[in-house]
Amino acid sequence: NAGVTQTPKFQVLKTGQSMTLQCAQDMNHNSMYWYRQDPGMGLRLIYYSASEGTTDKGEVPNGYNVSRLNKREFSLRLESAAPSQTSVYFCASNGRLNQPQHFGDGTRLSIL
Amino acid sequence: GENVEQHPSTLSVQEGDSAVIKCTYSDSASNYFPWYKQELGKGPQLIIDIRSNVGEKKDQRIAVTLNKTAKHFSLHITETQPEDSAVYFCAASRGGSGTYKYIFGTGTRLKVLA
Repeated sequence: NAGVTQTPKFQVLKTGQSMTLQCAQDMNHNSMYWYRQDPGMGLRLIYYSASEGTTDKGEVPNGYNVSRLNKREFSLRLESAAPSQTSVYFCASNGRLNQPQHFGDGTRLSIL
Repeated sequence: GENVEQHPSTLSVQEGDSAVIKCTYSDSASNYFPWYKQELGKGPQLIIDIRSNVGEKKDQRIAVTLNKTAKHFSLHITETQPEDSAVYFCAASRGGSGTYKYIFGTGTRLKVLA
């Protein structure tokens, strides 16, 4: 059982380039989430999708867009990357509200 | 806004000793409190969770306590082992309001010294 799979694991971009981070889960979960993790700041929610066909902004949505492609897949897009978006990005999913979230192993993104 | 404060930010203990990590939340409507362990290069993994209708929960060497009045919850690890070394995050969330957001603490780096 793979759980939550994120691709790529590492990426280096130049300022202004675009990039899509992919996430897929095989647990038949309804809800999916994108977080960023920066040193000393814990995990901050970028966007989430409560169910297939819906997406909502989290705490730090500026500079990002998301697509809930189907129940399994939830992608995060950076249209014009900025150095401030250098971070580790985690995707998570859960079956219902207030159920444990399951995390992928992250995408380490550096923007020069 | 809603926040979760976590202390300490780093904690070093001798192997076999106990470790305690504390979190305080601001949203009195929070009713679900998970704890995650994150090892280097990996995503956070759930180790224990507690709901607001329970004051304490234990799973082998790990326990969590919740004080709703004070809005505190704590993680207790007994008989620590080197493999307990990791970063631990607490989180708080609430249900029934359409909100799906966890609010995470800033993490505690635990080092277990052999």
